[in-house]
Amino acid sequence: DTEVTQTPKHLVMGMTNKKSLKCEQHMGHRAMYWYKQKAKKPPELMFVYSYEKLSINESVPSRFSPECPNSSLLNLHLHALQPEDSALYLCASSQLADPYNEQFFGPGTRLTVL
Amino acid sequence: QKEVEQNSGPLSVPEGAIASLNCTYSDRVSQSFFWYRQYSGKSPELIMSIYSNGDKEDGRFTAQLNKASQYVSLLIRDSQPSDSATYLCAVKSAGGTSYGKLTFGQGTILTVHP
Repeated sequence: DTEVTQTPKHLVMGMTNKKSLKCEQHMGHRAMYWYKQKAKKPPELMFVYSYEKLSINESVPSRFSPECPNSSLLNLHLHALQPEDSALYLCASSQLADPYNEQFFGPGTRLTVL
Repeated sequence: QKEVEQNSGPLSVPEGAIASLNCTYSDRVSQSFFWYRQYSGKSPELIMSIYSNGDKEDGRFTAQLNKASQYVSLLIRDSQPSDSATYLCAVKSAGGTSYGKLTFGQGTILTVHP
């Protein structure tokens, strides 16, 4: 099973709202990732968790707050976003088995900030 | 600055032809190479991974890697209209971490016309 699930599929929020994106995988992967993708651009890495610990934060603004409650779940908490944060947010997971750490992406959450 | 460059598209081929997608990378110690397919409005789907020099075949897809030339390619034989998508080349550098921080190319849009 190479499935990563994400909820919700679509999210519309105002700039003062607080919302969360959720990601789940049951492949036993111990690395999980958040990416942001704008139209006609490749995915941009935001955060990496390995063994449930934050390993990489790509200088992402603090209005994005990741959380990894356990080895299967990854959340992204959103607060006071800007319209330019509208994008496709992708979760991915991989094994921790260098170099064979193929990343599998979830379907994404399409976020619109009004 | 680690870079991944893909041949500029869009690439248009007739149904049944071979589509050739190319990618070069700047980091000489890169060790893992991936091709993702992304349909419009969907998330990236891993279609090929390659780690050692030479060819790797999977159905109609062949990935080719030449580390000396820092070049990786994807051939799609007997192209079908359903292959029309954006193809993303992604490269992971060696060392440092066991999880995969990928550098993506800008993507090549492939159109297969009947």
